[in-house]
Amino acid sequence: GQNIDQPTEMTATEGAIVQINCTYQTSGFNGLFWYQQHAGEAPTFLSYNVLDGLEEKGRFSSFLSRSKGYSYLLLKELQMKDSASYLCAAPGDFNKFYFGSGTKLNVKP
Amino acid sequence: EAQVTQNPRYLITVTGKKLTVTCSQNMNHEYMSWYRQDPGLGLRQIYYSMNVEVTDKGDVPEGYKVSRKEKRNFPLILESPSPNQTSLYFCASSHRGPTDTQYFGPGTRLTVL
Repeated sequence: GQNIDQPTEMTATEGAIVQINCTYQTSGFNGLFWYQQHAGEAPTFLSYNVLDGLEEKGRFSSFLSRSKGYSYLLLKELQMKDSASYLCAAPGDFNKFYFGSGTKLNVKP
Repeated sequence: EAQVTQNPRYLITVTGKKLTVTCSQNMNHEYMSWYRQDPGLGLRQIYYSMNVEVTDKGDVPEGYKVSRKEKRNFPLILESPSPNQTSLYFCASSHRGPTDTQYFGPGTRLTVL
């Protein structure tokens, strides 16, 4: 199976930078996803890392270390609209898919 | 417009009354999946399908059935719903499999009394 851990909730200030961490344990590794989910809405794709290192996409970046079973999502220049839950997720064995329980990010003025 | 649709969006029912939640995608995706989302537990996979007539259990399949007779449709069936199936349900699809980006439907909020 899969074990994916991430903090339950974080608070940050508008304009700041926040890092959301995720650790995972897998029986086989097929990449690590981040999804964003606003309250009452469906998750939407943010990033997918297969190789070690940092991938930058505008204000959002995602980092992966396969040897450490660790990833983080970095959000820069925080905006109020970034208040949402951020879901760390990964494919598992036999084409299954697993999500962490999500990190609720509160952005305050 | 490329999308995943689910119906109904909201449903209140009673214990034991069979129900079906429909899911349809217009992107010709092969992989489709059902998840339930509960507070503190996140999204958990119920069933998934790699293609027509190929379905497999996810992590929490008990009490649910699915079928994949056509590529675009992947209905979720609750033969005898119970209160512990009260949840928010999402259908999702991706191009080939779980290593591709999944696109989610808008969700179905189910309450079983």
